[in-house]
Amino acid sequence: DQQVKQNSPSLSVQEGRISILNCDYTNSMFDYFLWYKKYPAEGPTFLISISSIKDKNEDGRFTVFLNKSAKHLSLHIVPSQPGDSAVYFCAAEETSGSRLTFGEGTQLTVNP
Amino acid sequence: NAGVTQTPKFQVLKTGQSMTLQCAQDMNHNSMYWYRQDPGMGLRLIYYSASEGTTDKGEVPNGYNVSRLNKREFSLRLESAAPSQTSVYFCAGRTGTTDTQYFGPGTRLTVL
Repeated sequence: DQQVKQNSPSLSVQEGRISILNCDYTNSMFDYFLWYKKYPAEGPTFLISISSIKDKNEDGRFTVFLNKSAKHLSLHIVPSQPGDSAVYFCAAEETSGSRLTFGEGTQLTVNP
Repeated sequence: NAGVTQTPKFQVLKTGQSMTLQCAQDMNHNSMYWYRQDPGMGLRLIYYSASEGTTDKGEVPNGYNVSRLNKREFSLRLESAAPSQTSVYFCAGRTGTTDTQYFGPGTRLTVL
């Protein structure tokens, strides 16, 4: 069963507008959530994270929102830039554990 | 610091051949991980090593074996390659249980 799901395989936005990437999870034991970004022919790189004790974490143009009751998190990128075009993976884990569970990824394309 | 390195970058095998994917890190990571990435399926954990001397199965371990040779090195072995193992393989490491995972650049493996 897929415990972390990203239902949108792709998203296209205009430069300067907001990008919103969504992620849902089913395991109520997950209490730490991360977003990774991946360019072609490179490994994923960490972008931003959030603990379950928070509902929002912001880092520059990137903000992650967590809705625990809905088991949903989202990544907002404002303003979007062409260099943000990449695959974005949502990931989750139990802090008592040692392994991440990843979603399927969303391909973001930011058009100039 | 080289970070997390993987060799080889590309490999083509025939069905039934064996090979070992190498991973090394110089970031003092305690935990190391092997993932495979397939289209539409995100990153799936094959095996991981929470600390030197220990290894555990992940989500998709069948057909693979691993060795945590020392703190720096974690290898993945395919004893008898199958076309279903055609994928991009990523190694990752992390220092603490909620620290960021750092990924290598990946190995693209094709099994004919």
